[in-house]
Amino acid sequence: DQQVKQNSPSLSVQEGRISILNCDYTNSMFDYFLWYKKYPAEGPTFLISISSIKDKNEDGRFTVFLNKSAKHLSLHIVPSQPGDSAVYFCAASIETSGSRLTFGEGTQLTVNP
Amino acid sequence: SAVISQKPSRDICQRGTSLTIQCQVDSQVTMMFWYRQQPGQSLTLIATANQGSEATYESGFVIDKFPISRPNLTFSTLTVSNMSPEDSSIYLCSARARGLHHEQYFGPGTRLTVT
Repeated sequence: DQQVKQNSPSLSVQEGRISILNCDYTNSMFDYFLWYKKYPAEGPTFLISISSIKDKNEDGRFTVFLNKSAKHLSLHIVPSQPGDSAVYFCAASIETSGSRLTFGEGTQLTVNP
Repeated sequence: SAVISQKPSRDICQRGTSLTIQCQVDSQVTMMFWYRQQPGQSLTLIATANQGSEATYESGFVIDKFPISRPNLTFSTLTVSNMSPEDSSIYLCSARARGLHHEQYFGPGTRLTVT
């Protein structure tokens, strides 16, 4: 049972444009969401997170939006840069679960110069 | 943030043997975890490494197959026992630092190939 899903395995965007990565979840108990970026041969790097009490969190070029009623979150990268090319993982957690993370399958983002 | 190192970075092992992966964090952390990423798949939590006590395993993972130690706040080991080709994966250690809510920092991973 895949509780966190990223339905797009890949996304290609032109440099300078917006990248939008999507994530859906099924477990309504999830109350904290995170995005990670992963380069080949490296571990995932934490990018940005959002609590379920918010609907938006912004950090520089990265903004995460949360729609609890739709059980959907998205990561916006503006403007996209070639160095953003990586696999992006969405993850979810439950406050009382001891920080255990459930990950989506990942989306390969390619930003073309 | 915490800096996490893992040893070895990769290994090729014969089936039936065991491999121990080490994870070292550069600062004291509250929680440490072990994940597996099978080829083309997402990260799956194996267990939470508890200091001074038995690890807490997720459904589908057992101590006999994946024994874990955490003797102090900055070090943990994961052993993959009696390996088969299905154990070929990237194994990742992560840690949650003090004061952070849910964010975890990951090591670079250990790429294991079982032949």
